Amino acid sequence: DAGVTQSPTHLIKTRGQQVTLRCSPKSGHDTVSWYQQALGQGPQFIFQYYEEEERQRGNFPDRFSGHQFPNYSSELNVNALLLGDSALYLCASSPGTGVYNEQFFGPGTRLTVL
Amino acid sequence: GENVEQHPSTLSVQEGDSAVIKCTYSDSASNYFPWYKQELGKRPQLIIDIRSNVGEKKDQRIAVTLNKTAKHFSLHITETQPEDSAVYFCAAKYSGGGADGLTFGKGTHLIIQP
Repeated sequence: DAGVTQSPTHLIKTRGQQVTLRCSPKSGHDTVSWYQQALGQGPQFIFQYYEEEERQRGNFPDRFSGHQFPNYSSELNVNALLLGDSALYLCASSPGTGVYNEQFFGPGTRLTVL
Repeated sequence: GENVEQHPSTLSVQEGDSAVIKCTYSDSASNYFPWYKQELGKRPQLIIDIRSNVGEKKDQRIAVTLNKTAKHFSLHITETQPEDSAVYFCAAKYSGGGADGLTFGKGTHLIIQP
């Protein structure tokens, strides 16, 4: 089992551009959550996908959007990039949406906005 | 929304000594409290968690305590070893109203001095 995988590993973009990050959940997991981790900070919840729908959203603007595919993989899209969007983007998967279900994190995508 | 405060931001202890990291949360409806360990350049990994109906949980050298009345929870690591050096994050989760994302503290950098 490869666990949670994310691509790409690193990405450099300029202000105003758009970016798409990808996540494949751990085998047997159907729920995917996305987090933003700024340098020296804890991860911040962006949103969660289950059954191809956004279940919950954190305090992030509409520039952040996502999608979940029938095979449970997910994409995070960020439009009109700002310098402040530079961060490590973590994807986490879990087996269902139960409150006690452990979230397994991927290695992250390091996004740099110049 | 939920807010999690974590202290201290940096903790340096001698190898073999104990380490304690403390967190407080704001939403009394939160009912699940995991702790994650993140080594430099790696993904966060769950090391222990506790549910709101339990006061204490132990796993070998690691223990977590929860005081629901005071809304705080703590991580205790005994007989610290060099491999315990990492950043530790506490988190809280509230599942009411379909909400399911984790709210993280800002992290504690634990340094084990030889």
